[in-house]
Amino acid sequence: QSVLTQPPSLSAAPGQKVTISCSGSSSNIGNNYVSWYQQLPGAAPKLLIYDNNKRPSGIPDRFSGSKSGTSATLGITGLQTGDEADYYCGTWDNSLNAVIFGGGTKLTVL
Amino acid sequence: EVQLLESGGGLVRPGGSLRLSCAASGFTLSSYIMSWVRQAPGKGLQWVSAISGSGGSTYYADSVKGRFTISRDNSKHTLYLQMNSLRAEDTAVYYCAKVGSFLGYFDFWGQGTLVTVSS
Repeated sequence: QSVLTQPPSLSAAPGQKVTISCSGSSSNIGNNYVSWYQQLPGAAPKLLIYDNNKRPSGIPDRFSGSKSGTSATLGITGLQTGDEADYYCGTWDNSLNAVIFGGGTKLTVL
Repeated sequence: EVQLLESGGGLVRPGGSLRLSCAASGFTLSSYIMSWVRQAPGKGLQWVSAISGSGGSTYYADSVKGRFTISRDNSKHTLYLQMNSLRAEDTAVYYCAKVGSFLGYFDFWGQGTLVTVSS
């Protein structure tokens, strides 16, 4: 059971918008930056969002991140079939003194 | 271009040892914290360990503390993970990752190396 809670799966149609939630506590999300990762089937994770809402070079602005209190959200607009992947949130936990990840959300675009 | 290439994975018996390596290129290794993250088959990501740029500070998940040792040789552009007293639950793909800020995020990942602990 992960310290950060994500929905196990979501589905949406191409072109639609989807949001993926990541719920934590004051010892992690509430007092630290959140990052988001995309893992395509059979591939290594890839950084999508860091410091809550910043996009690395090369990540399209269809991907966005936000944080409020002890929860964070990843938004994806203009869904494409190539966005089918597992998405993970991550942050530091001050109580565990460890990096923690959410359990992952499997996004299906159909 | 940043590249991270892991090696050293394989099949090992419970209680055995294995050393993973991660060859880094495209950036100045000594300037960055580096980390290992693993993923058990069909499961999510789990942070394993991290090491400061100089190697003077190390950090471990409780699940591996006392059994795994992270190290680096900046002159060889290589990160290591020595894994001892391996257990079945250590079976996973192990990723080497470059850290973007103090364990705030991982901005580049290797392709991973599979470690299987089984008798």
